[in-house]
Amino acid sequence: DAGVIQSPRHEVTEMGQEVTLRCKPISGHDYLFWYRQTMMRGLELLIYFNNNVPIDDSGMPEDRFSAKMPNASFSTLKIQPSEPRDSAVYFCASSFLGGFNEQFFGPGTRLTVL
Amino acid sequence: GENVEQHPSTLSVQEGDSAVIKCTYSDSASNYFPWYKQELGKRPQLIIDIRSNVGEKKDQRIAVTLNKTAKHFSLHITETQPEDSAVYFCAASRGNTPLVFGKGTRLSVIA
Repeated sequence: DAGVIQSPRHEVTEMGQEVTLRCKPISGHDYLFWYRQTMMRGLELLIYFNNNVPIDDSGMPEDRFSAKMPNASFSTLKIQPSEPRDSAVYFCASSFLGGFNEQFFGPGTRLTVL
Repeated sequence: GENVEQHPSTLSVQEGDSAVIKCTYSDSASNYFPWYKQELGKRPQLIIDIRSNVGEKKDQRIAVTLNKTAKHFSLHITETQPEDSAVYFCAASRGNTPLVFGKGTRLSVIA
């Protein structure tokens, strides 16, 4: 397996634009997590899915953020409209059996909003 | 919900010395405690984990200890090497809930 795949690896956009981040989890994993990492706030859990169903989105900072998982092999995190304070590294991670086993992180997407 | 505190936030050691990073957690029902290492510009990766039915676990130069009564766990790295320089994150979970991460410790090993 190639591990968790994320795209794009880098994204530079202007304030107000829509941004879509993509993730392909490891095959067979039933949990998918989206994190945001900044120097100030560390690793923040934004939302997680179990068997493609969103379980907890309480970490999503605002209504500008939305996430979907249409099938077991694909998830998106969308920011619309983007703002400079959204600049961060966004990680997707997947695991088998949720919080009781290793989470495998993707390489991350470095987002810069100008 | 769970809250994980991690100390220190930065740590510098001489090559060959030991490094210790400590974490405390608030939820007494937590039963899984992993440690992740994140090298500069890379993704976090699991280096060792411990479950609540054991008090200590070792893997070569790294070890983790767990004190459930006091609700704290620690990472010990012996004979540190320059390649140990990274940010280390502790985390805790009940198992049926997502991991809650500490804020991280930036370890610098000085050659």
